Amino acid sequence: SSELTQDPAVSVASGQTVRITCQGDSLRGYYASWYQQKPGQAPVLVIYGKNNRPSGIPDRFSGSSSGNTASLTITGARAEDEADYYCNSRDSSGNHLLFGGGTKLTVL
Amino acid sequence: EVQLVQSGAEVKKPGESLKISCKGSGYSFTSYWIGWVRQMPGKGLEWMGIIYLGDSDTRYSPSFQGQVTISADKSISTAYLQWSSLKASDTAMYYCARGVVPAAYDAFDIWGQGTMVTVSS
Repeated sequence: SSELTQDPAVSVASGQTVRITCQGDSLRGYYASWYQQKPGQAPVLVIYGKNNRPSGIPDRFSGSSSGNTASLTITGARAEDEADYYCNSRDSSGNHLLFGGGTKLTVL
Repeated sequence: EVQLVQSGAEVKKPGESLKISCKGSGYSFTSYWIGWVRQMPGKGLEWMGIIYLGDSDTRYSPSFQGQVTISADKSISTAYLQWSSLKASDTAMYYCARGVVPAAYDAFDIWGQGTMVTVSS
């Protein structure tokens, strides 16, 4: 199917590790990229490709993939990581892009 | 500084036409894809389509095919998103974004500030 599925909400205690997942058939052939969006702001790319971080993104953000599931891991979550996170990849045809529905991360 | 600057907020009536813009600077405009993303109030991100500025190759997401037109003017490093007849359901924030590496569209690292479009009678 041409869909990317994310859990709507995830919470993590400050300083702990959290994994946000994204499932979809197209992920068997294409990498996911991950975006962080805080209220009232444009999205920010945090992970792309196999596990690449754009300049300025802390190394506590990492990405991985297995089968039809891509994951964004935040190791040592901080209050400022509280945001919506969206995965993105191509659809099964490879010609169009998809976003997952987004995961709201709460840092307790 | 590499940046995308979008045109300002718009308030339009149903049935009116609209063209919003996204101007790139600080990089080779024709080497990258530009994408357009819709975010309806309180909702998630949706890809509308992408355009490669090198040859104007344009791909629309199935949900937006026929609903909008994506174009660009390379001479002024500007991409456009256009509607011929707006509906109230087009009320949303619209973002443009640039591909993270030349000629690829798997991830987008530079985002415009967004253009809020409000359609109301």
